[in-house]
Order: sequence, then C-alpha cells, then structure tokens
Amino acid sequence: SQKIEQNSEALNIQEGKTATLTCNYTNYSPAYLQWYRQDPGRGPVFLLLIRENEKEKRKERLKVTFDTTLKQSLFHITASQPADSATYLCALDAKDYKLSFGAGTTVTVRA
Amino acid sequence: NAGVTQTPKFQVLKTGQSMTLQCAQDMNHEYMSWYRQDPGMGLRLIHYSVGAGITDQGEVPNGYNVSRSTTEDFPLRLLSAAPSQTSVYFCASRRDPGGAFGYTFGSGTRLTVV
Repeated sequence: SQKIEQNSEALNIQEGKTATLTCNYTNYSPAYLQWYRQDPGRGPVFLLLIRENEKEKRKERLKVTFDTTLKQSLFHITASQPADSATYLCALDAKDYKLSFGAGTTVTVRA
Repeated sequence: NAGVTQTPKFQVLKTGQSMTLQCAQDMNHEYMSWYRQDPGMGLRLIHYSVGAGITDQGEVPNGYNVSRSTTEDFPLRLLSAAPSQTSVYFCASRRDPGGAFGYTFGSGTRLTVV
C-alpha cells in the first residue's frame, strides 16, 4: 500500500540554524511533491511545489529537494526564526486528483 | 477575495444525527475536496470534485455524501453521525484539477460526535 513518512514528529532547533525535514514515500509515483505549513487551529497553507523532473526548488529561506530514485524529499528552512515554528506537511500528487499527505513534522524554533 | 470559507467552525452532534458541513470558494476553482485530520495521522481524502456535477470518492468516503451543483459550493453531508467521525474537517480547492498548483484550504470545522 502507498505510504508517506515524515521524520520524527518534532524538531527543536535554535534560532538561526537550518531545519531539515524529511519526507519518504513507498509504492507511489508522484508527479508533484508539495509542502504545506499548518499552524495550530488553522488549515494548511501551501508553500512549495516541485515536479518529478526537478531536483531542487527555492523560495526565500525555503529549499526543497526531490529524489525520485531514493523516493525522498528534503525540506530546508535556513536562518530559522521563531515565527517558523509550525507543523510542516509533505503531500504527494500522482495527477489522479488525490493529494496524499504525510502526518507532518512539528518544528519549534527557540530564540 | 475570501478564499475558501467553511461553516460552522465548531459543531457537537449526537450519535445518529445528520448535518451538512458547508464549503464555498470565490476563486472560480474547478477542483474541490474534503479531508479529515485526526491526531497523529495525515490528512485523509473523503471526497473530491473536478467540476460542477462531478464527484468521486477518496480514501475514506463511508458515512459521507457530497454534491457539486455549482462551481462555488461543495457541501459535505454526514448521514448518521458516529463517534468515529469526530475529527477536524478541511475543505480545499485548486484552480486546475490536474495542474501543478497548490491547494487552498479553509480554516476547518471541528466536529465532535457524542
């Protein structure tokens, strides 16, 4: 069965450091991989999308990599700030109208 | 431009009651979907629609009905509420059903079934 796994449920880092989140998947051939941010009591907010033929995508302090051989995506937050504290969700889109989500990784950035 | 609007924000139901969760978007998006989110689990797709008059089942459709009579609205109906349906429900939309775009989510409906 299809499975999406995100690394440890919680990640605590010091302000200014880089947070690295992992998304691994099995039995899946996504055309796109997306990352969302979710704050407590709120709906997910779209951050970045990377296509299967792209290796890396950047947006401000965010960087996403996508390795279809390893079936893995890495999500980096550089120069982290306390405002980056949230839960980050990985989502896979196989172009079948069904976006599938991982359980998320909660990031806490300490000042 | 309000985006995706969900009502109500909170609801308590008794087992066996029925209700409709409302979802409306003002972005003229063709694709709309309903997810439920439970602690420790990823968002799970309940039903989706790729346009007015077209709906299909997602991963966990049992106990839920949907219809799409207009582009703007996509209500989710709970036929006979069960405690297992206690969850947070999110509606999401996307401009192009098959395109490389992110989804816009509503703020959610927190449902408790007692």
